[in-house]
Amino acid sequence: GDSVTQMEGPVTLSEEAFLTINCTYTATGYPSLFWYVQYPGEGLQLLLKATKADDKGSNKGFEATYRKETTSFHLEKGSVQVSDSAVYFCALSVLNTGFQKLVFGTGTRLLVSP
Amino acid sequence: DTAVSQTPKYLVTQMGNDKSIKCEQNLGHDTMYWYKQDSKKFLKIMFSYNNKELIINETVPNRFSPKSPDKAHLNLHINSLELGDSAVYFCASSQDHRSGNQPQHFGDGTRLSIL
Repeated sequence: GDSVTQMEGPVTLSEEAFLTINCTYTATGYPSLFWYVQYPGEGLQLLLKATKADDKGSNKGFEATYRKETTSFHLEKGSVQVSDSAVYFCALSVLNTGFQKLVFGTGTRLLVSP
Repeated sequence: DTAVSQTPKYLVTQMGNDKSIKCEQNLGHDTMYWYKQDSKKFLKIMFSYNNKELIINETVPNRFSPKSPDKAHLNLHINSLELGDSAVYFCASSQDHRSGNQPQHFGDGTRLSIL
């Protein structure tokens, strides 16, 4: 079935370090891919998305490229800030009997220290 | 203005009780969802409704009964609460359920704790 695999956390970085959070997926057809972020005590917020192969999603300094050949959608940021500390979820969107369904990875907690 | 709002934010109750969680969205979306997030942060879809009609039910126990009085509201009623129901429940909405590339917008969650 459709699934998303993310690297285990927590990922602990110092401010201004480079961030990569790995995400790979398994899906039939051509899913859209998303990264969501969850700050403590809040709901999930869409961070970025890509809808087809080789698309690059970007927002707030974060980027991810839809790689069909490696079935990956790794999240990167060149210089993290303390305020980026949160849980990051990779997700794919499939059409289930004609209706959209989001399948999430297990989430990766990012901790950024000053 | 809050786009997707859930009430209550916290719910503490005893095993065996019946409780409801309410969700409202003011985005004009047609489709609404309920997700369950367990203690390890794993998120799983429970239900999806489109314009008041159930379209996805992910083998959730029938103690859980969603109700959609109109397309802007999707409430979740839980009967005979069990310890394993302790989790954070998220409501979400999206514009077009037939499109795979529409993002879903989430509420802040309801933390349910069963004593």
